[in-house]
Amino acid sequence: AAGVIQSPRHLIKEKRETATLKCYPIPRHDTVYWYQQGPGQDPQFLISFYEKMQSDKGSIPDRFSAQQFSDYHSELNMSSLELGDSALYFCASSLAGADTQYFGPGTRLTVL
Amino acid sequence: QKEVEQDPGPLSVPEGAIVSLNCTYSNSAFQYFMWYRQYSRKGPELLMYTYSSGNKEDGRFTAQVDKSSKYISLFIRDSQPSDSATYLCAMSVSSGSARQLTFGSGTQLTVLP
Repeated sequence: AAGVIQSPRHLIKEKRETATLKCYPIPRHDTVYWYQQGPGQDPQFLISFYEKMQSDKGSIPDRFSAQQFSDYHSELNMSSLELGDSALYFCASSLAGADTQYFGPGTRLTVL
Repeated sequence: QKEVEQDPGPLSVPEGAIVSLNCTYSNSAFQYFMWYRQYSRKGPELLMYTYSSGNKEDGRFTAQVDKSSKYISLFIRDSQPSDSATYLCAMSVSSGSARQLTFGSGTQLTVLP
């Protein structure tokens, strides 16, 4: 079965640079979530989208923005990167109102 | 204090043992409870999902929820070395079209052959 696709899988940036992470949900899933997982930590919810509209917002820094496109894929844009932004970034998808989320393999961002 | 507390581990057991993983929570609004398995440097994989108090069984895995005590557990029977991973409990509230998950901190399990 098709799963959530994330790209790139690994990304290395320097401080103050920008990064764009992409997420392609499972076909027919219309809801996308972004989570950040720091080293040795649990995933922290950043933001979610339903039908291309932001539906909920968590602990997402103002330097980050995201959107969902007409084909339901989503992009997380990160600017003025800081060392503390180094983490695994997961995207998850679900059907609207469904209780289960399916996670992608993650993008490992390293900020030097 | 975190909304979801999970026994931190790490936990090391011999192959064939019964494993018990536990989480407590403080937010009464949580209605949906999940267990995810995460291998090193991989995305969380959904193992079990339940929304009612009681037990739910799937193969070697049993999820138990006690809403009155705000306590959930995952039991793994006949544990295998391939079960070695970090196990995360996760919860969500019932409202809205998008339901963000709140995770426990994870329990690292090692099953020794």
